[in-house]
Amino acid sequence: DQQVKQNSPSLSVQEGRISILNCDYTNSMFDYFLWYKKYPAEGPTFLISISSIKDKNEDGRFTVFLNKSAKHLSLHIVPSQPGDSAVYFCAAAYTNAGKSTFGDGTTLTVKP
Amino acid sequence: DTGVSQDPRHKITKRGQNVTFRCDPISEHNRLYWYRQTLGQGPEFLTYFQNEAQLEKSRLLSDRFSAERPKGSFSTLEIQRTEQGDSAMYLCASSLEGGINYGYTFGSGTRLTVV
Repeated sequence: DQQVKQNSPSLSVQEGRISILNCDYTNSMFDYFLWYKKYPAEGPTFLISISSIKDKNEDGRFTVFLNKSAKHLSLHIVPSQPGDSAVYFCAAAYTNAGKSTFGDGTTLTVKP
Repeated sequence: DTGVSQDPRHKITKRGQNVTFRCDPISEHNRLYWYRQTLGQGPEFLTYFQNEAQLEKSRLLSDRFSAERPKGSFSTLEIQRTEQGDSAMYLCASSLEGGINYGYTFGSGTRLTVV
């Protein structure tokens, strides 16, 4: 049973436009959600997180939205840049637990 | 600090051989994690340590896998009697306890190929 799902394997957007990456989860006990970015031949890099007590968190061009009732979160990148082209992983965790559970990733391609 | 270091970057081994990977976390981080990633999938949790104590181990992990973190510093992951299904990227990460909102810092991984 996959508890964190990213249903879109890939997304292509034009430079300067908005990129929206989606993630769904099934376990309502998760109370922290995170996004990571991964370039080829590198490990994932932490991007942004959100606590379950919030519905929005913003950091520069990156905003994460959380809809707890729908068990859905999304990452918005505005404006998108070619350097944002990477695989984006959604992850979920319990505050006091060690591990995070990852989705299978969405490959974002930003075209110049 | 140079981040999380993993060694080797690549390992090719014959089926049935034992392999050992090393991870050096960020020195201030007391938590260390091992994940495995195969093509097209996200990182899959294997085990994690808080200081030298191994606090959780995935039920998916067979008894051919063992991990240690002596003295709460670097960690090793050993796979005995490797199988072709063990071929994957093995990722190490570290974090501070209570720092979940800052995420993990991952290393670049060790790519294992079992032939």
